[in-house]
Formats: sequence, structure tokens, C-alpha cells
Amino acid sequence: NAGVTQTPKFQVLKTGQSMTLQCAQDMNHEYMSWYRQDPGMGLRLIHYSVGAGITDQGEVPNGYNVSRSTTEDFPLRLLSAAPSQTSVYFCASSMGLLSGNTIYFGEGSWLTVV
Amino acid sequence: QQQVKQSPQSLIVQKGGISIINCAYENTAFDYFPWYQQFPGKGPALLIAIRPDVSEKKEGRFTISFNKSAKQFSLHIMDSQPGDSATYFCAAPFRGSQGNLIFGKGTKLSVKP
Repeated sequence: NAGVTQTPKFQVLKTGQSMTLQCAQDMNHEYMSWYRQDPGMGLRLIHYSVGAGITDQGEVPNGYNVSRSTTEDFPLRLLSAAPSQTSVYFCASSMGLLSGNTIYFGEGSWLTVV
Repeated sequence: QQQVKQSPQSLIVQKGGISIINCAYENTAFDYFPWYQQFPGKGPALLIAIRPDVSEKKEGRFTISFNKSAKQFSLHIMDSQPGDSATYFCAAPFRGSQGNLIFGKGTKLSVKP
């Protein structure tokens, strides 16, 4: 049981390049989400999904796309990277908080845009 | 936009002392208030959480106090240890989805030996 797995761990991009951060969970969780963490800003919700085929915007969605074709996978796409997207990205999953469950986080992906 | 306000930003405590971190939230769809602990280079991990049927929850040296009327909750770390040095985040349910949280900006705790 690997939990929430993110790849890559580290990435350097040039401004304007595109890339995809991968996230997979093996806990059969309905809910998945992406957060970004910046110094002094805490964790901010980018996009989330409540099940396969259903996604929605969080607090800071601009510049990012997501899709959820399977229960297990929830990739985050940067279509045209900007220096403001330099951050640590965390993927998370849960079975839903109403029923006594919690949110589990991956180990993070460090992204630098130059 | 939904907010969770956390204070202080940083905290220095002597070993054996009490660490207190406070959080204030706006209206949420339901009551579930967790605290997450994060060590450098790692993802956040659930430390302790409280649900609406109690005003206080204790797990070992960690206690959450919850004041529903004031929309506030706090984390108390008793007998703080150097190993408790980490960043702590409070959170509240995101109004848009029952599977997500909105986080405070974090408190960096340093426990001095």
C-alpha cells in the first residue's frame, strides 16, 4: 500500500514550457486534490476532484489544468509555466471528511520555473 | 473567499514548556477541524482532529480546544520536545467539497533544548 505517490520529486522548467505532475493513489479514494505551498502562504487548493470524470476549481486554479479519467490518477498540467508557479506541489486524497476519514498527502513535488 | 486565520506565524518554546497555536475559521459546511504537522521536505500529516460533538480532544501531549460560538480552535502541546519542532497547520472543510480542506498559513514551532 503505497498511499499517495507523486512524480517527479524535483523539476526545473523554463518559462513557457509545459509539464505534467503525476499523482496516483492506491486507497480507492473518491476525493483527490492538488495544493501548492509557498513560504508564509500555507497550503492553497488548486483543483480538486470528487470522483472519476468530475473536477472543479479550488482557491488558485489559474494556470493549471486537471483531469480525472480513473479513480487512481489525478495529473496536474501546467500549460505554459511562469516563474510565479515556482512552488512545492502536494497531491492529496481522501474518502471524504464527513464519514470520519482524513486527507492523506503525497511527499511533494518541488517545481522551479526560471 | 473562505479563510482560515492562524496565529502566531512562528513560536519558540523551551523544552518542557507549553506551545499554543490558535485558529479562527469562517462558516463551514460541517464541523471537522484538524491540525497537520509538517517536517522539512515532507508532506503534511494529520496530527489530531476534532469533530462537533466535543469541545476538547486530547491525544497524548496534544490537545485541541474548540469554541464553536467564537468559531475558534486551538492546539496545545504540553511538555514540548525538540522533536516537536515542525510547521503546524490548522484547517477547516472547504465549502465546495466534503473531501477537501482550507488551510491556515502555518506556524513554525521551534522547541529549544
